[in-house]
Amino acid sequence: NAGVTQTPKFQVLKTGQSMTLQCAQDMNHEYMSWYRQDPGMGLRLIHYSVGAGITDQGEVPNGYNVSRSTTEDFPLRLLSAAPSQTSVYFCASSGTAMNTEAFFGQGTRLTVV
Amino acid sequence: RKEVEQDPGPFNVPEGATVAFNCTYSNSASQSFFWYRQDCRKEPKLLMSVYSSGNEDGRFTAQLNRASQYISLLIRDSKLSDSATYLCVVNFYTGRRALTFGSGTRLQVQP
Repeated sequence: NAGVTQTPKFQVLKTGQSMTLQCAQDMNHEYMSWYRQDPGMGLRLIHYSVGAGITDQGEVPNGYNVSRSTTEDFPLRLLSAAPSQTSVYFCASSGTAMNTEAFFGQGTRLTVV
Repeated sequence: RKEVEQDPGPFNVPEGATVAFNCTYSNSASQSFFWYRQDCRKEPKLLMSVYSSGNEDGRFTAQLNRASQYISLLIRDSKLSDSATYLCVVNFYTGRRALTFGSGTRLQVQP
């Protein structure tokens, strides 16, 4: 019953460092997405993918890259970490129908110092 | 103006109380609606979808008013375990399919 697996759960970066947040799902979902959650602001969409080889920008894409080489994996790359990227990051996956449930990973708490 | 707005709360209610949360959304092209529950420092999980005719799941009732662009969640007979943040979520159909989240309403049920 893995569902959506995110790693790492916690990370501290120095300004300017790069890193990749991993996300994998075993439900054969076509749709995957990355959100960040900041206090009082809800979840905001960073990037999303509707299938392998297809990605697009969300609401707050600057400073992040994604790729989708397989249906299962959707990593998020921070190119050059900044303190403004301190946040909790959630990966989600869902089927393609508009009213299907989105399943979330457990989140990654990232602090950039 | 946010696309999905909620009263942040917190709502502090005694066990057994009935509590209602409201949510408004700004885009009339919205296609589907949900309530998610998020426990402290955990990931969001689907509580229930919201259908045009309204729907009920045990102690939880969801209503949708498309004309007023308004969604509600009613919790009856509140339990301590209902303490969480409730997220109003809208799936806007704008060529880009993505869930848009409200900032959440925090509920604290007290003994």
